[in-house]
Amino acid sequence: GEDVEQSLFLSVREGDSSVINCTYTDSSSTYLYWYKQEPGAGLQLLTYIFSNMDMKQDQRLTVLLNKKDKHLSLRIADTQTGDSAIYFCAEIRNSGYALNFGKGTSLLVTP
Amino acid sequence: GAGVSQSPSNKVTEKGKDVELRCDPISGHTALYWYRQSLGQGLEFLIYFQGNSAPDKSGLPSDRFSAERTGGSVSTLTIQRTQQEDSAVYLCASSLWGSASDTQYFGPGTRLTVL
Repeated sequence: GEDVEQSLFLSVREGDSSVINCTYTDSSSTYLYWYKQEPGAGLQLLTYIFSNMDMKQDQRLTVLLNKKDKHLSLRIADTQTGDSAIYFCAEIRNSGYALNFGKGTSLLVTP
Repeated sequence: GAGVSQSPSNKVTEKGKDVELRCDPISGHTALYWYRQSLGQGLEFLIYFQGNSAPDKSGLPSDRFSAERTGGSVSTLTIQRTQQEDSAVYLCASSLWGSASDTQYFGPGTRLTVL
């Protein structure tokens, strides 16, 4: 999705926090999602946030949304080697239904 | 079923042949989506079905691509006269109602290789 941008690669050490960033350009984006894709697998929904929220926490995952800057982030606390995967940010625009994905951020967790 | 299933998991075909990819959505989900994941283009929306409404085909890349959904459940994506640029992973997803607030659940995908 050309309207959703993510950095392509992130490397962290096991036990550290990971922060994956995403920017989008359409102010009508009302639903924003984070999906995880492990090698050879489909997309697994991690979490989502609606545009009327600033933050959402779900166990080790924290999503922050800055609507002014159209910036979304996913923080993974106490990152484990099993968190190594590609993480996709995706938006759905108001009244739409098709997910518009970023290119994905490949997270590598080293021992 | 417990999740979205797709078949086959892998398909290798020769250029010019037709292929059919199948998707079984989660039972009770009225909306079904097809996406394509390729190295160059990332994840792209292809087509959307919701109940008995006419499908949204706006993402289909050419008229060689078509899809149908029988009985509001199983869907088949057909690619005619395959080309090498059709090589990709084809992902199917389903959701309860198809609204913007609905979560889309994805299948494992079909990896298509066109030789």
